[in-house]
Order: sequence, then structure tokens, then C-alpha cells
Amino acid sequence: GAGVSQSPSNKVTEKGKDVELRCDPISGHTALYWYRQRLGQGLEFLIYFQGNSAPDKSGLPSDRFSAERTGESVSTLTIQRTQQEDSAVYLCASSLGTYWGLGTSGHSYNEQFFGPGTRLTVL
Amino acid sequence: DAKTTQPPSMDCAEGRAANLPCNHSTISGNEYVYWYRQIHSQGPQYIIHGLKNNETNEMASLIITEDRKSSTLILPHATLRDTAVYYCIVRVGETSYDKVIFGPGTSLSVIP
Repeated sequence: GAGVSQSPSNKVTEKGKDVELRCDPISGHTALYWYRQRLGQGLEFLIYFQGNSAPDKSGLPSDRFSAERTGESVSTLTIQRTQQEDSAVYLCASSLGTYWGLGTSGHSYNEQFFGPGTRLTVL
Repeated sequence: DAKTTQPPSMDCAEGRAANLPCNHSTISGNEYVYWYRQIHSQGPQYIIHGLKNNETNEMASLIITEDRKSSTLILPHATLRDTAVYYCIVRVGETSYDKVIFGPGTSLSVIP
């Protein structure tokens, strides 16, 4: 079936501009995660949505970063007044969501499936 | 990406070293070993990664066997805050963003 999709795949912007990144999770997945990966570094957690619970925003690096999710579907990550240090690949992932247990497919609920990412370059 | 296998759960006494094993017998030469952890109701946190040499940072040490078919994550002095699910994954390169699936991981319980 369809996996996690993200758009755009590449985004080049000028310093100070706002950007909006989109993520479409796998249908039926209640958990959605945003990560950032700078060149040569590991995944850096940004924000986590789980159903109707308040999102875990503890990874957002500054108040220039925000994210929204409509129900259990599309999510958008917005970066305001972009800076050069924001240049990175932004990854979205989704999972069935419940922290413990197995889904009917046999996959663990907390297995995450990642999208292809959006490569953001701030000039 | 190569699959990994980890024990489903482990206990560790507070203050002692926690040694979390991971098998990745089909790992390819260009695949890195990554460790992440997820504390309940929080997003995953990157811990450490390596290719073939042992690595150490402020959080943990990573020991990779010479044949690279297994590795061990070491938390030198476990605290109650280290109670979490620990995931071992292998990925191509440090810049690849191929689709990754986190397995069930190891649920580590640090006991007072």
C-alpha cells in the first residue's frame, strides 16, 4: 500500500523566508513524527503527534518552528524566518501509534515508517 | 536495510551498567548501526551510531564486533530516567534517508 509521502522533495529558500513542509502519513496510523537530519548527523526528534493527545513539542529547536496535524491525517511543519542552520533533511514518520503491543498486521505499534524527506536549503 | 534482532526486555539496577545487545548478521559493508531510544509518550531520541569502530559520547558507548554482525549499547551508569525502549537499526550511510522501520526494540527497566 501507499507509504508516507512528503512534499516538496526539495526546497531552496532565502534566509528570512517562511517555509511549509507537508507530510501525508500511512492511512490508519495515529502517531506522526517529525525529525530533522543535518548532514553527517543522526535523526533529531522535533515533534510527535499521537491521536487527539497534546503533541510532544519538546524537540522543536525554537519558536520559529511549529507543526499542526489535522485529525489523524496530514501534518504541516512550518519554519518561520528561516536561518541557514535550518538547512537539513526534514523527515516525517508514522506508526500505528499505541505504545505497546502488536497490530493485526503483526507489526509493533511503535514501528515507524519514514517518508522520503524534504531537503531544505536556506541560502 | 538489514534487519536487527533485540531481546524484548531487560532489567538493570540503578547505577549499574546497562548492556543492550543487537544482532545484525546480514549487515552490509556500507551500513551504519544506529541506536535510538523512546521514553514513554515521547518521540525517539538519537543516542549514538557507528560503522565499525567503537564509539563513545556523553550518553553511551557503542561496541561493534569485528565481523560487524552484532553490537552492544552500553549505558555506563543507568539511572531511572534511562527507562525506555531502545531501538537498534542499520542504515546505509550517514546521510541516507531511505525508509526505515523501527523494530519492537528492547524495553529497558532501570530498577531502584
